Amino acid sequence: EVQLVQSGAEVKKPGESLKISCKGFGYSFTNNWIGWVRQMPGKGLEWMGIIYPIDSITTYSPSFQGQVTISADKSISTAFLQWSSLKSSDTAIYYCARRTASDYDYWGQGTLVTVSS
Amino acid sequence: QTVVTQEPSLTVSPGGTVTLTCASSTGAVTSGYYPNWFQQKPGQAPRALIYSTSNRHSWTPGRFSGSLLGGKAALTLSGVQPEDEAEYYCLLFYGGVQVFGGGTRLTVL
Repeated sequence: EVQLVQSGAEVKKPGESLKISCKGFGYSFTNNWIGWVRQMPGKGLEWMGIIYPIDSITTYSPSFQGQVTISADKSISTAFLQWSSLKSSDTAIYYCARRTASDYDYWGQGTLVTVSS
Repeated sequence: QTVVTQEPSLTVSPGGTVTLTCASSTGAVTSGYYPNWFQQKPGQAPRALIYSTSNRHSWTPGRFSGSLLGGKAALTLSGVQPEDEAEYYCLLFYGGVQVFGGGTRLTVL
């Protein structure tokens, strides 16, 4: 069974760094893209970017370029989303999702990130 | 900045039919945009319904269908059930970048 399992909720202060994770189970992790999606409180889905774990080729939305870093460690079937300096506006639920050629089929359960002083 | 536009809200009666649409600021949506549709209920992660315009996943009920309609991607729900009340999002592929629509809140009343 394909599953994406994300790391747990985080509470951070502005200016702190953070790295959240998304671990794939039940499929060949290296042969499928992993995308990250933001959902701010009460708002819609926003596509942030994507990584191909086999070679770590990464594409970012222009809105998120330079704001976050997407990476992956294929040896542990895990993708990461990280911030070097969080802002209160980063408060959101972050989802990872598996992308095949043209399809985001399986989604993680989401990671709630709260940034507050 | 590319914008993908959906109806903010729609209402449908149980057993009825409703069509949600997804438009691109760049022009007509074609199959080359590989339209995807997702359903999200409160407190849950999104669930994939349709990919590449009209392909259902194995878990997608047959009452959901995808198409291209008048230069837009479309999701039609036929024989709507109360459990179909949810937020629906489309996603379009612009080469290496993907963009979500703003979502349609579907009320079954």
